[in-house]
Amino acid sequence: NAGVMQNPRHLVRRRGQEARLRCSPMKGHSHVYWYRQLPEEGLKFMVYLQKENIIDESGMPKERFSAEFPKEGPSILRIQQVVRGDSAAYFCASSQSTSGNADTQYFGPGTRLTVL
Amino acid sequence: AQTVTQSQPEMSVQEAETVTLSCTYDTSENNYYLFWYKQPPSRQMILVIRQEAYKQQNATENRFSVNFQKAAKSFSLKISDSQLGDTAMYFCASRAYNFNKFYFGSGTKLNVKP
Repeated sequence: NAGVMQNPRHLVRRRGQEARLRCSPMKGHSHVYWYRQLPEEGLKFMVYLQKENIIDESGMPKERFSAEFPKEGPSILRIQQVVRGDSAAYFCASSQSTSGNADTQYFGPGTRLTVL
Repeated sequence: AQTVTQSQPEMSVQEAETVTLSCTYDTSENNYYLFWYKQPPSRQMILVIRQEAYKQQNATENRFSVNFQKAAKSFSLKISDSQLGDTAMYFCASRAYNFNKFYFGSGTKLNVKP
């Protein structure tokens, strides 16, 4: 069973461009979470999605950031008009459910976004 | 809201010795989970150990064990017989029982010296 997949692993964008980060959860997982890690800091929660629904987006900036998890295909974190402050590692995690032992979140390897 | 504090930015330990990483947290939740994650240079987040707050018994996973002091809101990680492969950033995290977002500390960088 493959783990959580994220691509690309590294992404370079110039200021004002769009960044699209993809996350494929583990097989059988329908819950996806996105976190951002700034240099020398811990991970900060951004958004939690279930298939086709955003459950909690309290950690996501109101402007320029959006996330989706369609019925088919990976979850996408989209950052429009990127700025230098968006440079960070973005981690995706998935879980099978939200209760019991099946709620353990497994993390992907992250996408390192660099904005020039 | 929850907060997690790791007051040791960096620690070193000799190979085969024991080291303890500190973590304190604050939460208004009655039911919650606590975690330690390891982040090696590859930046992959790896679950080390997990503790349910309602369980009094400290969790153990091979060379890794925790000292969970609920009243003091303390959750330290003990690594026994340290190995070179244990060199990594270690993050303490909390999660409320009914909510799915983690709250992470700022991390402790552990160097295991040969």
